[in-house]
Amino acid sequence: SAVISQKPSRDICQRGTSLTIQCQVDSQVTMMFWYRQQPGQSLTLIATANQGSEATYESGFVIDKFPISRPNLTFSTLTVSNMSPEDSSIYLCSVVAVGDSTLGYTFGSGTRLTVV
Amino acid sequence: GNSVTQMEGPVTLSEEAFLTINCTYTATGYPSLFWYVQYPGEGLQLLLKATKADDKGSNKGFEATYRKETTSFHLEKGSVQVSDSAVYFCALSLRGGGNKLTFGTGTQLKVEL
Repeated sequence: SAVISQKPSRDICQRGTSLTIQCQVDSQVTMMFWYRQQPGQSLTLIATANQGSEATYESGFVIDKFPISRPNLTFSTLTVSNMSPEDSSIYLCSVVAVGDSTLGYTFGSGTRLTVV
Repeated sequence: GNSVTQMEGPVTLSEEAFLTINCTYTATGYPSLFWYVQYPGEGLQLLLKATKADDKGSNKGFEATYRKETTSFHLEKGSVQVSDSAVYFCALSLRGGGNKLTFGTGTQLKVEL
């Protein structure tokens, strides 16, 4: 399965600032997703990162707050903009590898964000 | 819409006890089903999966059978260890639904000596 490098692994940020999270995969993947896991909660899909075009956002998430880039098949970034304490969460990148007909999703180790 | 319902935790067991974590689903098509595990301070790892009815997924002593008639995918292990302490998430995905994962709320398992 694909191996994901997600950076940074954790950060403490001031409210009002922005943080960009990187997701690098060691092989070409068909689909890349960004999830949020709020403290003690399950995972919620933020958006699907589309190569070379705008991401597809889920209800409740908007591009101005969570801009996403995916310039190629192995790399994507998620920015958390104008942060507030409510954005404190774990953010996870997930991918589906090319040719994986059984939809084997792989997750990065996550970015633990604390906004103060 | 699609949804996953898991039994609430935390579940506390003694080492070598039998484990069942219930998971039922609602889906508009024929989903693939997954169990993910999250160890303390780590990301999610795929534990097992099943892609069609009556398939059994298994890994590390854990098993789950895709039951279409009861729309269930219960996780079982015959003898748990302290190292199994983690949060377990049941999830589904639908082809044609953007291949997105829909997660249950997670069940925390604590195994004590």
